[in-house]
Amino acid sequence: GQQVMQIPQYQHVQEGEDFTTYCNSSTTLSNIQWYKQRPGGHPVFLIQLVKSGEVKKQKRLTFQFGEAKKNSSLHITATQTTDVGTYFCAGPEYNFNKFYFGSGTKLNVKP
Amino acid sequence: DTGVSQNPRHKITKRGQNVTFRCDPISEHNRLYWYRQTLGQGPEFLTYFQNEAQLEKSRLLSDRFSAERPKGSFSTLEIQRTEQGDSAMYLCASRPGGSNTGELFFGEGSRLTVL
Repeated sequence: GQQVMQIPQYQHVQEGEDFTTYCNSSTTLSNIQWYKQRPGGHPVFLIQLVKSGEVKKQKRLTFQFGEAKKNSSLHITATQTTDVGTYFCAGPEYNFNKFYFGSGTKLNVKP
Repeated sequence: DTGVSQNPRHKITKRGQNVTFRCDPISEHNRLYWYRQTLGQGPEFLTYFQNEAQLEKSRLLSDRFSAERPKGSFSTLEIQRTEQGDSAMYLCASRPGGSNTGELFFGEGSRLTVL
């Protein structure tokens, strides 16, 4: 079945440093979503990428979808303590009846 | 609050007992998902409903697990004869129909601890 893998598992940065998490799928994805889960919270949708090579920005966050639609990345510029949490990518199965989540990258930002 | 609602938020039970969780999705959302999340892991798919029809069920879901969505509105997830390995956060998510894209709206989850 489809597998979605994320690296790194953990990232500790100093406030102001940049952060990147990578997501790789074993199969071609029709689209990919990114979610953020704060400590003790539930996953909250950030963005969805659909087109090959697509790049989207949300303030300090930049999301990319690979040309082959099998990988994606999330880059945060100049991290802040409010960025703390776990970032998950999720890809749908072909019929969209299920979404496969990566194992997540836990970001800790030291002030 | 018109978000996804789950209850109870926390449940502590003894091994062998049955537990039931309820999810009330966003009212206009006809698609409903149950996920399980253990510490340090991503959400793991359990089952999917479109309206009242259960269209997908994970092979990981043993016969001790059953889910229903009788009128296509709220859903329940029951675990019979709980085991310590069932301890996890059970997340419900919903999304609107009519599109094959779109975000999942998650509830705050029901945390199960099996002693």
